[in-house]
Amino acid sequence: QSALTQPASVSGSPGQSITISCTGTSSDVGGYNYVSWYQQHPGKAPKLMIYDVSNRPSGVSNRFSGSKSGNTASLTISGLQAEDEADYYCSSYRSINTLLFGGGTKLTVL
Amino acid sequence: EVQMVESGGGLVEPGGSLRLSCAASGFPFSTYNMNWVRQAPGKGLEWVSSFTNDNYIYNADSLKGRFTISRDNSKNSLYLQMNSLRVEDTAVYYCARSVAGTLRGFDYWGQGTLVTVSS
Repeated sequence: QSALTQPASVSGSPGQSITISCTGTSSDVGGYNYVSWYQQHPGKAPKLMIYDVSNRPSGVSNRFSGSKSGNTASLTISGLQAEDEADYYCSSYRSINTLLFGGGTKLTVL
Repeated sequence: EVQMVESGGGLVEPGGSLRLSCAASGFPFSTYNMNWVRQAPGKGLEWVSSFTNDNYIYNADSLKGRFTISRDNSKNSLYLQMNSLRVEDTAVYYCARSVAGTLRGFDYWGQGTLVTVSS
C-alpha cells in the first residue's frame, strides 16, 4: 500500500505555530479515527505524541494538538521550541487490519 | 517503568534467516497487542506485523509471508522470524506496544535492533 502523504519539510521560528498535514483516503484517515502522530529525534526511537486523532498521551505537552477533516489529518505545534526540531510521522489504521505510516516531515526550528 | 529491549539483529546474507526478540517489562504483557515496526536507513517508518492479546496476527502485505511474528506471554517476549531476507529488508527493527485496541497506534517503543542484509 502507498504511504500516507506528508510534506517533506516544514519550518518555523521559536514561538510560532506550525501545522503538518497527513493525507490519506476514505479507507484509512477518512474512514477511522485512528490517526497517530510520532516525533523522532535523530538516532532515537519514535515517541507517540497524539493518538486517536486528537488525544495526547500523559506527559506530552499541550502545545501539541491533532485534528482531522475528511481524508486529511493535521498535527499542530504551538509555541514552537528548539527541542521540537525532529522528524514527525503520522499513521492510520487502514481497512482491513493494516496500518500505514506517512513518509515523514522534517521540522526545522529557525 | 515500561520497557522493551530488542535483540537478535546483525549481518546476514541475502536469502538467510534471522530471529529477533523483544523482552518487555513494566506492564502486563499478555494484555497488550504487540508489534514490529521497521525503518530503513534514512527512510521512514514501516509497519511490519502485529500480534494481538487474543492471538490474532496481522502482517504487512509487502512481506509476502516471509516474516512470522510470535509471542510467549510466560516470558513477556515478542519474536520476529525473518526468512528469505533481501537487501531491502535492511533496517532498524523496533518492538512497539499498542495503544489499547488494534492498530490504533504505538505508545511505547524499544530502542531498536539493526538488521543488515548484505553479501
